[in-house]
Amino acid sequence: GAVVSQHPSWVICKSGTSVKIECRSLDFQATTMFWYRQFPKQSLMLMATSNEGSKATYEQGVEKDKFLINHASLTLSTLTVTSAHPEDSSFYICSARGLAGGIEQYFGPGTRLTVT
Amino acid sequence: SQQGEEDPQALSIQEGENATMNCSYKTSINNLQWYRQNSGRGLVHLILIRSNEREKHSGRLRVTLDTSKKSSSLLITASRAADTASYFCATDHWGAQKLVFGQGTRLTINP
Repeated sequence: GAVVSQHPSWVICKSGTSVKIECRSLDFQATTMFWYRQFPKQSLMLMATSNEGSKATYEQGVEKDKFLINHASLTLSTLTVTSAHPEDSSFYICSARGLAGGIEQYFGPGTRLTVT
Repeated sequence: SQQGEEDPQALSIQEGENATMNCSYKTSINNLQWYRQNSGRGLVHLILIRSNEREKHSGRLRVTLDTSKKSSSLLITASRAADTASYFCATDHWGAQKLVFGQGTRLTINP
């Protein structure tokens, strides 16, 4: 089956620093990748949609200058949280939709970010 | 917000009993999907039902879809302790690339 990985699985950083999270589709090419954010005991909220080779589309209320998304290849998208603050601490999950434009999304295992 | 609603928000039952979770949404869909999430982990895709389908089965899972009421239900039969998790419905809307997740139901199966 289609596998999506994320790295790192968890990260602790200091306030004011930047953190990069990678999302890779391991056995398929993904034209579209999605980034979600999940606070404890809450649902997933879509942050942005990224298509390979083009700028990401951010959801309302998500700061594009703070959450930088790069989808440089068909198998890799990155999310960089810039100048992180404690309120950015959350569980970040990516998903990928295949090259064939299939309707299924495949989810990564998530990255837990803690900003101290 | 397009976010769907799920009820109940939390459900606690005894092992062996059936668990039913409901999901409602607001606008027309292409398909609806159900996911499971164990605490602190990623999502596991359970089942996808298309807008022209009314019922679908997968093992102990049964999903129904009523597009006239804009609602879906997930039934887990003969529950097991390992079914303890959060369950989310997600809707794929016509014209949109993205999934919209419901608020989730936290299911606890007591041994």
